[in-house]
Amino acid sequence: LAKTTQPISMDSYEGQEVNITCSHNNIATNDYITWYQQFPSQGPRFIIQGYKTKVTNEVASLFIPADRKSSTLSLPRVSLSDTAVYYCLVGDTSGNTGKLIFGQGTTLQVKP
Amino acid sequence: DTAVSQTPKYLVTQMGNDKSIKCEQNLGHDTMYWYKQDSKKFLKIMFSYNNKELIINETVPNRFSPKSPDKAHLNLHINSLELGDSAVYFCASSQNYNEQFFGPGTRLTVL
Repeated sequence: LAKTTQPISMDSYEGQEVNITCSHNNIATNDYITWYQQFPSQGPRFIIQGYKTKVTNEVASLFIPADRKSSTLSLPRVSLSDTAVYYCLVGDTSGNTGKLIFGQGTTLQVKP
Repeated sequence: DTAVSQTPKYLVTQMGNDKSIKCEQNLGHDTMYWYKQDSKKFLKIMFSYNNKELIINETVPNRFSPKSPDKAHLNLHINSLELGDSAVYFCASSQNYNEQFFGPGTRLTVL
Protein backbone atom coordinates (compact mmCIF):
# COMPACT_ATOMS: atom_id res chain seq x y z
CA LEU A 1 0.00 0.00 0.00
CA ALA A 2 1.16 3.50 -0.78
CA LYS A 3 1.63 5.02 2.66
CA THR A 4 1.77 8.80 2.70
CA THR A 5 3.73 11.14 4.94
CA GLN A 6 3.17 14.87 5.37
CA PRO A 7 4.44 17.51 7.81
CA ILE A 8 2.15 17.76 10.79
CA SER A 9 1.94 21.55 10.71
CA MET A 10 3.12 24.65 8.87
CA ASP A 11 2.89 28.37 9.53
CA SER A 12 2.72 31.12 6.94
CA TYR A 13 1.78 34.77 6.54
CA GLU A 14 -0.83 36.31 4.34
CA GLY A 15 0.32 36.88 0.78
CA GLN A 16 3.04 34.22 0.86
CA GLU A 17 3.24 31.11 -1.28
CA VAL A 18 2.91 27.89 0.67
CA ASN A 19 4.27 24.54 -0.46
CA ILE A 20 3.21 21.34 1.28
CA THR A 21 5.00 18.15 0.35
CA CYS A 22 3.66 14.62 0.66
CA SER A 23 5.87 11.54 0.43
CA HIS A 24 4.44 8.36 -1.08
CA ASN A 25 7.39 6.07 -1.77
CA ASN A 26 5.28 2.99 -2.57
CA ILE A 27 2.94 4.64 -5.04
CA ALA A 28 1.62 2.19 -7.62
CA THR A 29 1.41 2.66 -11.36
CA ASN A 30 -2.34 3.17 -11.34
CA ASP A 31 -2.41 5.54 -8.37
CA TYR A 32 -3.39 9.17 -8.67
CA ILE A 33 -2.51 11.89 -6.16
CA THR A 34 -5.28 14.05 -4.81
CA TRP A 35 -5.26 16.87 -2.27
CA TYR A 36 -8.12 17.85 -0.02
CA GLN A 37 -8.74 20.79 2.31
CA GLN A 38 -10.66 20.47 5.54
CA PHE A 39 -12.01 23.24 7.76
CA PRO A 40 -13.10 22.54 11.36
CA SER A 41 -16.42 20.74 11.65
CA GLN A 42 -16.66 20.23 7.88
CA GLY A 43 -15.96 17.43 5.49
CA PRO A 44 -12.84 17.51 3.30
CA ARG A 45 -13.10 19.42 0.04
CA PHE A 46 -11.28 18.56 -3.20
CA ILE A 47 -8.48 20.89 -4.24
CA ILE A 48 -6.55 19.27 -7.06
CA GLN A 49 -5.62 15.91 -8.59
CA GLY A 50 -2.73 14.77 -10.75
CA TYR A 51 -0.79 11.79 -12.06
CA LYS A 52 2.55 13.26 -13.11
CA THR A 53 4.35 16.53 -13.89
CA LYS A 54 2.37 19.66 -13.09
CA VAL A 55 -1.31 20.41 -12.74
CA THR A 56 -2.75 23.87 -12.12
CA ASN A 57 -6.24 25.09 -11.41
CA GLU A 58 -7.74 28.30 -10.11
CA VAL A 59 -6.76 27.66 -6.49
CA ALA A 60 -3.55 25.62 -6.49
CA SER A 61 -0.78 23.86 -8.36
CA LEU A 62 0.39 20.30 -7.93
CA PHE A 63 3.96 19.33 -8.74
CA ILE A 64 4.83 15.65 -9.19
CA PRO A 65 8.40 14.61 -10.02
CA ALA A 66 9.17 11.91 -12.57
CA ASP A 67 9.55 9.14 -9.97
CA ARG A 68 6.18 10.11 -8.44
CA LYS A 69 7.41 9.28 -4.95
CA SER A 70 6.38 12.66 -3.66
CA SER A 71 4.11 15.53 -4.58
CA THR A 72 3.94 19.19 -3.63
CA LEU A 73 0.81 21.24 -3.24
CA SER A 74 1.46 24.90 -3.92
CA LEU A 75 -0.95 27.57 -2.68
CA PRO A 76 -0.17 31.00 -4.14
CA ARG A 77 -0.61 34.10 -2.00
CA VAL A 78 -2.44 32.51 0.93
CA SER A 79 -5.01 34.38 2.97
CA LEU A 80 -6.34 33.87 6.48
CA SER A 81 -9.19 31.79 5.05
CA ASP A 82 -6.67 29.21 3.83
CA THR A 83 -6.05 28.16 7.42
CA ALA A 84 -7.12 24.52 7.37
CA VAL A 85 -5.88 20.94 7.34
CA TYR A 86 -4.58 19.70 4.00
CA TYR A 87 -4.64 16.00 3.17
CA CYS A 88 -2.75 14.11 0.52
CA LEU A 89 -4.58 11.08 -0.89
CA VAL A 90 -3.04 8.38 -3.02
CA GLY A 91 -5.28 5.86 -4.68
CA ASP A 92 -6.24 3.85 -7.68
CA THR A 93 -9.08 5.46 -9.59
CA SER A 94 -9.82 2.45 -11.73
CA GLY A 95 -12.13 1.04 -9.14
CA ASN A 96 -10.73 -2.46 -9.46
CA THR A 97 -8.14 -2.63 -6.72
CA GLY A 98 -8.63 0.70 -5.05
CA LYS A 99 -6.86 1.28 -1.78
CA LEU A 100 -7.35 4.88 -0.82
CA ILE A 101 -4.78 6.11 1.67
CA PHE A 102 -5.01 9.53 3.23
CA GLY A 103 -1.98 11.19 4.77
CA GLN A 104 -2.17 12.32 8.37
CA GLY A 105 -2.85 15.85 7.22
CA THR A 106 -0.91 19.11 7.46
CA THR A 107 -2.38 21.86 9.60
CA LEU A 108 -1.65 25.16 7.88
CA GLN A 109 -1.90 28.27 10.03
CA VAL A 110 -1.93 31.54 8.09
CA LYS A 111 -1.09 34.60 10.17
CA PRO A 112 -1.86 38.25 9.38
CA ASP B 1 -29.23 21.92 -2.47
CA THR B 2 -26.94 19.75 -0.36
CA ALA B 3 -24.85 17.42 -2.52
CA VAL B 4 -24.01 14.85 0.18
CA SER B 5 -26.06 14.82 3.35
CA GLN B 6 -25.76 12.77 6.52
CA THR B 7 -28.07 12.24 9.45
CA PRO B 8 -27.79 12.65 12.30
CA LYS B 9 -25.11 15.30 12.71
CA TYR B 10 -24.53 14.29 16.34
CA LEU B 11 -25.14 10.89 17.92
CA VAL B 12 -24.60 10.15 21.60
CA THR B 13 -25.25 6.63 22.78
CA GLN B 14 -24.33 3.99 25.34
CA MET B 15 -21.92 1.15 24.89
CA GLY B 16 -23.52 -1.98 23.53
CA ASN B 17 -26.22 -0.16 21.58
CA ASP B 18 -26.86 -0.53 17.86
CA LYS B 19 -27.07 2.62 15.75
CA SER B 20 -27.28 3.72 12.13
CA ILE B 21 -26.03 6.72 10.22
CA LYS B 22 -27.70 7.62 6.95
CA CYS B 23 -26.11 9.13 3.88
CA GLU B 24 -27.65 10.42 0.68
CA GLN B 25 -26.12 12.01 -2.40
CA ASN B 26 -27.98 13.83 -5.17
CA LEU B 27 -25.04 14.09 -7.56
CA GLY B 28 -25.80 10.96 -9.54
CA HIS B 29 -22.45 9.48 -8.59
CA ASP B 30 -21.81 5.76 -8.88
CA THR B 31 -19.50 5.34 -5.90
CA MET B 32 -20.08 6.12 -2.24
CA TYR B 33 -17.73 5.83 0.74
CA TRP B 34 -17.61 5.82 4.51
CA TYR B 35 -14.64 7.26 6.37
CA LYS B 36 -13.75 7.41 10.05
CA GLN B 37 -11.84 10.38 11.43
CA ASP B 38 -10.41 9.92 14.88
CA SER B 39 -9.41 12.53 17.45
CA LYS B 40 -5.98 12.85 15.85
CA LYS B 41 -7.61 13.79 12.54
CA PHE B 42 -6.56 10.62 10.74
CA LEU B 43 -8.96 9.88 7.90
CA LYS B 44 -9.41 6.15 7.27
CA ILE B 45 -11.58 4.66 4.62
CA MET B 46 -13.97 2.01 5.86
CA PHE B 47 -16.06 1.04 2.87
CA SER B 48 -16.90 2.03 -0.65
CA TYR B 49 -19.82 0.95 -2.80
CA ASN B 50 -19.82 1.10 -6.57
CA ASN B 51 -23.17 0.44 -8.24
CA LYS B 52 -24.35 -1.32 -5.07
CA GLU B 53 -21.34 -3.62 -5.01
CA LEU B 54 -18.78 -3.47 -2.23
CA ILE B 55 -15.44 -2.65 -3.81
CA ILE B 56 -13.21 -1.69 -0.90
CA ASN B 57 -13.56 -3.24 2.51
CA GLU B 58 -10.79 -2.17 4.84
CA THR B 59 -10.03 -4.10 7.98
CA VAL B 60 -12.87 -2.88 10.13
CA PRO B 61 -14.77 -4.85 12.75
CA ASN B 62 -17.71 -6.79 11.38
CA ARG B 63 -19.87 -4.83 13.80
CA PHE B 64 -19.83 -2.21 11.07
CA SER B 65 -21.93 -2.94 8.02
CA PRO B 66 -22.73 -0.71 5.06
CA LYS B 67 -26.14 -1.00 3.45
CA SER B 68 -27.06 0.55 0.14
CA PRO B 69 -30.77 0.45 -0.69
CA ASP B 70 -30.09 2.29 -3.95
CA LYS B 71 -27.38 4.14 -5.81
CA ALA B 72 -28.04 7.40 -3.96
CA HIS B 73 -27.87 6.02 -0.43
CA LEU B 74 -25.21 4.30 1.66
CA ASN B 75 -26.10 3.81 5.29
CA LEU B 76 -23.74 2.67 8.02
CA HIS B 77 -24.98 0.27 10.69
CA ILE B 78 -22.97 -0.26 13.83
CA ASN B 79 -23.75 -3.06 16.26
CA SER B 80 -22.61 -3.39 19.88
CA LEU B 81 -21.00 0.02 20.03
CA GLU B 82 -17.70 0.35 21.88
CA LEU B 83 -15.90 3.34 23.37
CA GLY B 84 -13.32 3.20 20.60
CA ASP B 85 -16.00 3.77 18.00
CA SER B 86 -16.26 7.40 19.09
CA ALA B 87 -15.18 9.48 16.13
CA VAL B 88 -16.49 11.60 13.27
CA TYR B 89 -17.84 9.53 10.40
CA PHE B 90 -17.89 11.02 6.92
CA CYS B 91 -19.82 9.86 3.93
CA ALA B 92 -18.54 10.75 0.46
CA SER B 93 -19.39 10.10 -3.16
CA SER B 94 -17.58 10.28 -6.46
CA GLN B 95 -17.87 9.38 -10.10
CA ASN B 96 -15.36 6.73 -11.14
CA TYR B 97 -13.20 7.15 -8.05
CA ASN B 98 -12.20 10.68 -8.98
CA GLU B 99 -12.99 13.83 -7.00
CA GLN B 100 -14.84 12.89 -3.85
CA PHE B 101 -17.58 15.03 -2.37
CA PHE B 102 -17.85 14.70 1.38
CA GLY B 103 -20.82 15.10 3.66
CA PRO B 104 -20.74 17.30 6.78
CA GLY B 105 -19.90 14.41 9.09
CA THR B 106 -21.59 12.65 12.00
CA ARG B 107 -19.96 13.00 15.39
CA LEU B 108 -20.52 9.75 17.28
CA THR B 109 -19.91 9.68 21.02
CA VAL B 110 -20.12 6.39 22.85
CA LEU B 111 -20.47 6.64 26.61
